[in-house]
Amino acid sequence: GNSVTQMEGPVTLSEEAFLTINCTYTATGYPSLFWYVQYPGEGLQLLLKATKADDKGSNKGFEATYRKETTSFHLEKGSVQVSDSAVYFCALDSNYQLIWGAGTKLIIKP
Amino acid sequence: ETGVTQTPRHLVMGMTNKKSLKCEQHLGHNAMYWYKQSAKKPLELMFVYNFKEQTENNSVPSRFSPECPNSSHLFLHLHTLQPEDSALYLCASSQDPGERDTQYFGPGTRLTVL
Repeated sequence: GNSVTQMEGPVTLSEEAFLTINCTYTATGYPSLFWYVQYPGEGLQLLLKATKADDKGSNKGFEATYRKETTSFHLEKGSVQVSDSAVYFCALDSNYQLIWGAGTKLIIKP
Repeated sequence: ETGVTQTPRHLVMGMTNKKSLKCEQHLGHNAMYWYKQSAKKPLELMFVYNFKEQTENNSVPSRFSPECPNSSHLFLHLHTLQPEDSALYLCASSQDPGERDTQYFGPGTRLTVL
């Protein structure tokens, strides 16, 4: 069946470090892929998405590229800030069902 | 208020208690959802409502009973819960059930069952 696997957290980085959070998926067909972010005490928000192979989603300095050959959608940011501390969820849309990863907690230290 | 609101934000209950979680959306959406978020586990979709009608129940135990009196309000009635039901319960809404990639989430209710 369809599934999403994310790297287990927490991921702890210093401010201005480079960020990668890995996400790989298993799916039939060509799902859309998403990253959601959950800031402390808030609900999930859509961060970025990509709907077909080789698409790059980007928002707030974050990027992720839909890699069909490696079935991956890794989240990257060149220089993280303390305000990026949150839990990040990778997800795929298969037949109007969102399949979620377990989330990766990101902690950014000043 | 705007967006999706949930009350209470925190709830502690015993296994014999009856309590209810409330969700309200001010976005004019037609679809509403209940999710369970447990630590280090993927979000679990529990229920989906479309125009007040339940369209999905993902094998949720009967001790969780949803209610959707109108398209703006969604309740989750809790009865005889177990400690393993402790989790963050998230409500979400979208314009239609087919638009799950554009769901708006509430902040959640942190539930602890003693």
